[in-house]
Amino acid sequence: DIQMTQSPSSLSASVGDRVTITCRASQSIASSLNWYQQKPGKAPNLLIYAASTLQSGVPSRFSGSGSGTDFTLTISSLQPEDFATYYCHQSSSTPQSFGQGTKLEIK
Amino acid sequence: EVQLVESGGGLVQPGGSLRLSCAASGFTFSSYWMHWVRQAPGKGLVWVSRINSDGSNTNYADSVKGRFTISRDNAKNTLYLQMNSLRAEDTAVYFCARASSGYLAYWGQGTLVTVSS
Repeated sequence: DIQMTQSPSSLSASVGDRVTITCRASQSIASSLNWYQQKPGKAPNLLIYAASTLQSGVPSRFSGSGSGTDFTLTISSLQPEDFATYYCHQSSSTPQSFGQGTKLEIK
Repeated sequence: EVQLVESGGGLVQPGGSLRLSCAASGFTFSSYWMHWVRQAPGKGLVWVSRINSDGSNTNYADSVKGRFTISRDNAKNTLYLQMNSLRAEDTAVYFCARASSGYLAYWGQGTLVTVSS
């Protein structure tokens, strides 16, 4: 089974900051890596799929990169609505798996 | 507009059973793989199961294999999750989601399953 490890687990930042979240797979998953944002009490929302493709309607300040085992999600300039929890998800093989999440909090 | 609406959650005793449903609308249900993902209170997302478009291929997380069964009725545009031999650790919000090339672009609002005596 493929394990997904996100870092950091939590992060404090300010509006306007540039933020990077990392996700590492325990074995190569090519580009089968997706990123979601989740706010309390809500369903996850797809941000990035196939490692670097921005989902329709998602602001361009979000970007993704990486392939193989190492991936990053970058928010170029944090906005107040971006404070949430972020998850990576590998869809390369079953059982599929999520990272443990990164909680992004206001500094 | 794509809509996924889960139902069937509730309180069940350990060892009991429950069947979740996910009613789909706004798209051609029979063309898409569907998934279940769960989230225990205050915890992260956990992948549970998936089913292909015609129901002939299913996969499960090790933690639910042999206890949970995913199925679908394409005539009714509905996805199901039959959960047997429930344990306290199955307590979670269960989300259904529509897959496109592996990624989960549309999610329901979730239904809460509580396993407790």
